[in-house]
This record gives sequence, C-alpha cells and structure tokens, in this order.
Amino acid sequence: AQTVTQSQPEMSVQEAETVTLSCTYDTSESNYYLFWYKQPPSRQMILVIRQEAYKQQNATENRFSVNFQKAAKSFSLKISDSQLGDTAMYFCAFMRANAGGTSYGKLTFGQGTILTVHP
Amino acid sequence: NAGVTQTPKFQVLKTGQSMTLQCAQDMNHEYMSWYRQDPGMGLRLIHYSVGAGITDQGEVPNGYNVSRSTTEDFPLRLLSAAPSQTSVYFCASSYRNRGENIQYFGAGTRLSVL
Repeated sequence: AQTVTQSQPEMSVQEAETVTLSCTYDTSESNYYLFWYKQPPSRQMILVIRQEAYKQQNATENRFSVNFQKAAKSFSLKISDSQLGDTAMYFCAFMRANAGGTSYGKLTFGQGTILTVHP
Repeated sequence: NAGVTQTPKFQVLKTGQSMTLQCAQDMNHEYMSWYRQDPGMGLRLIHYSVGAGITDQGEVPNGYNVSRSTTEDFPLRLLSAAPSQTSVYFCASSYRNRGENIQYFGAGTRLSVL
C-alpha cells in the first residue's frame, strides 16, 4: 500500500514571495504519477501540477514547479510570486501505474497543507 | 460540456435513513470513483469503477454500496446512515488509456448525519 505524508499542516507567505510545500511518499512501485491539487474555500478540487515518475525533469506550470526526488521519495511544490488567490488547501496525491503508463484510476492523498497568502 | 456533476450539494440525514448521492460525467471516462474528505485526513477512496458493470472497494467501503450500469453514472448509496458518515463526498472520473491520467472532480456533496 502507498502512503503520502504532508508534514506541514499550515503555511503562510506574503504576497509576491515564494513558498515551498513538502510531500513525501512511500511505495514499492516503480511506475506512478504524482499530483498537487488545490482546494480553495469553494471546495472544488483543482489540479495544479502533475509529475510522471519515469521523467527526471521536474514539472512546471507557470508560477508552480515541483522538486521531484525519486530516490528520496520526495515531491515538493514551489509557488513563486504568491498571489492572494493561491490561498487554499493543497493536497499531494499518488497514483499507481502499470509498466505501460496506464493508471489504475485511484489516488492516495496526503493530509493537506493550508496555505494562507497575506497582502 | 458539464464535466463531473454531483447532486445534491448539501444533505442532512437522520441516523438510519438511506439516500443516494448521484454522480454523472459526460466525458466518456472509463474510471469513476468516490472519495470522502474528513478534517485532517485528506481524501480517502470509498469505491471505484473501471467501467460499466465493474466496481471494487477502496480504502473505506463499509456502509456504502455502488453500482455502475452505464458509463456516465456512478451513484453512491448509504443504506443506513450513521453519524460517522458525516463528511464531504467527492466523485471523480478519468480516462483509462490516455497519457494524462488526470482525475476530474465534481464539486462535492456535504453530508451531515444527525
């Protein structure tokens, strides 16, 4: 079974600054995907960024980037130029895949980190 | 294109009552799943389906039933609601054989069992 751990229950950052959210996971699988989801007060789950385990290059999406350390089983999220709209709960999630890259359609989530961006 | 639609958005039940949470998707996704979100615990998988007629249990299946008679719909049934089932419920769907492997979530149903 897989486990995902987010050790920071809450984080805060000033607007325009950079913040990093931590995530570690435990698995014996060699093929998998990692995700960061954002959940604002509206409760909607919004995909922020996705990483394929077989790719060594870290994923980036505009102001969001990850530091994926496969050997250390670490997957942190960096938010640059933080904006007030980034205030939300952030979840790290793991999904198994087979050797061909097909997923099993099931996510394992961490406990979440509440991020507050202050003006 | 509505995506993943969950109904109702809010529901209050009394202990022992039954109800069905509805989930529908219009993206022709093979995979559909139900999660519950409790404070401090993230989202946990209840049941999932890899296609019409095929369902399986997730991490916390007790007290819930599912069926999948069509590709589009995946209802979650609570046969006898208990206070421990007070939670926010999310339905999600995704393709099986696409490279993106991204799950799309509904807006959630907040359920209170008194």
